[in-house]
Amino acid sequence: DAGVIQSPRHEVTEMGQEVTLRCKPISGHNSLFWYRQTMMRGLELLIYFNNNVPIDDSGMPEDRFSAKMPNASFSTLKIQPSEPRDSAVYFCASSTDSDYGYTFGSGTRLTVV
Amino acid sequence: AQSVTQLDSQVPVFEEAPVELRCNYSSSVSVYLFWYVQYPNQGLQLLLKYLSGSTLVESINGFEAEFNKSQTSFHLRKPSVHISDTAEYFCAVFRMDSSYKLIFGSGTRLLVRP
Repeated sequence: DAGVIQSPRHEVTEMGQEVTLRCKPISGHNSLFWYRQTMMRGLELLIYFNNNVPIDDSGMPEDRFSAKMPNASFSTLKIQPSEPRDSAVYFCASSTDSDYGYTFGSGTRLTVV
Repeated sequence: AQSVTQLDSQVPVFEEAPVELRCNYSSSVSVYLFWYVQYPNQGLQLLLKYLSGSTLVESINGFEAEFNKSQTSFHLRKPSVHISDTAEYFCAVFRMDSSYKLIFGSGTRLLVRP
């Protein structure tokens, strides 16, 4: 089992550019979560999907953020346009309906300059 | 409203000393409780969890936590820490309703000194 795979591991981009973060959940997991981690705000749940359907996106900061899950094995988190305050580590996690402990990916460290 | 409180942002301790990392929660519904550990530049790893049954749960590397419903606490303890235990520890709460969310505390950095 390769675990939850996120790409890229690091992303440096200029303000105003579009950024796409990618996540492959563990095979067989039907829930997927996007979290953002910063020193100031800690771990924040941005959005989560169940069976590829967005269930709760109340944590998405603003319209510049969007997330998709076109199939059970892939999800993207897009920021357009990016701003310096979006700099953070973005984590993807997955789980099953019967397992309440999430498995996290290694994260994507985003720096917007 | 639901919250998870980790009062200590950092806990320095000497190697082989005991340690307790505190976690308190508030919730209007029943919860499951978790501790996660994050080593530098890595993702979060599940350390232990309480779902039901015995209120004392243990991890494979010597940590334990006890669910105390009356105190609404789930403190993490280890009788003797190692340098390798230096990491950030997060307490988390899973609501037993339809929200399906895992809510994290702000984290406690455990710093083990030789």
